[in-house]
Amino acid sequence: AQSVSQHNHHVILSEAASLELGCNYSYGGTVNLFWYVQYPGQHLQLLLKYFSGDPLVKGIKGFEAEFIKSKFSFNLRKPSVQWSDTAEYFCAVIARNSGNTPLVFGKGTRLSVIA
Amino acid sequence: SAVISQKPSRDICQRGTSLTIQCQVDSQVTMMFWYRQQPGQSLTLIATANQGSEATYESGFVIDKFPISRPNLTFSTLTVSNMSPEDSSIYLCSVLGTGWDNEQFFGPGTRLTVL
Repeated sequence: AQSVSQHNHHVILSEAASLELGCNYSYGGTVNLFWYVQYPGQHLQLLLKYFSGDPLVKGIKGFEAEFIKSKFSFNLRKPSVQWSDTAEYFCAVIARNSGNTPLVFGKGTRLSVIA
Repeated sequence: SAVISQKPSRDICQRGTSLTIQCQVDSQVTMMFWYRQQPGQSLTLIATANQGSEATYESGFVIDKFPISRPNLTFSTLTVSNMSPEDSSIYLCSVLGTGWDNEQFFGPGTRLTVL
């Protein structure tokens, strides 16, 4: 079975600081990887996803993530955060060709961006 | 993509009562799931709602406590029965996209408070 670890529970950054949120997964086979974001009072939205090809994937709002297979990692990055990036961020994984099974989520990282 | 609506958006209930949450999708989907997101926690899968048959529950969740209906491919209900304060949580409906990429879409959630 797959599992996901997000190392940071709560991250506090000033505006314009760079962001990196860690995500490691546990699974020996091929996986699809996702980052979801949940803004305060809103529902979960897909930020970006990786299936294959270029391990550096770009998502919405200037976010990107890099898949490093040897490290089982899929860290989320943004060069310069804004106050509007304050949200909860969830990493998720699913085994490739797993059929219609749901995603496995990490515990989430709360990002607070201060002025 | 799929647009998902949930009713009610929030409710405050008394201990010992039951609440039924509705989930409506704007298109036919094969896979529907129910998640719980407790305060400050990640998403925990409760069950997979199967159309025309009994739901498939995850470990720690039972049908008597969380009965689920799935009468067709666009609608499902989750009932939280005999509620206690520990059931206070956000309950989320989710569907699996029809593409090959395992993307999941989430409803806005139902925020339940049990007094």
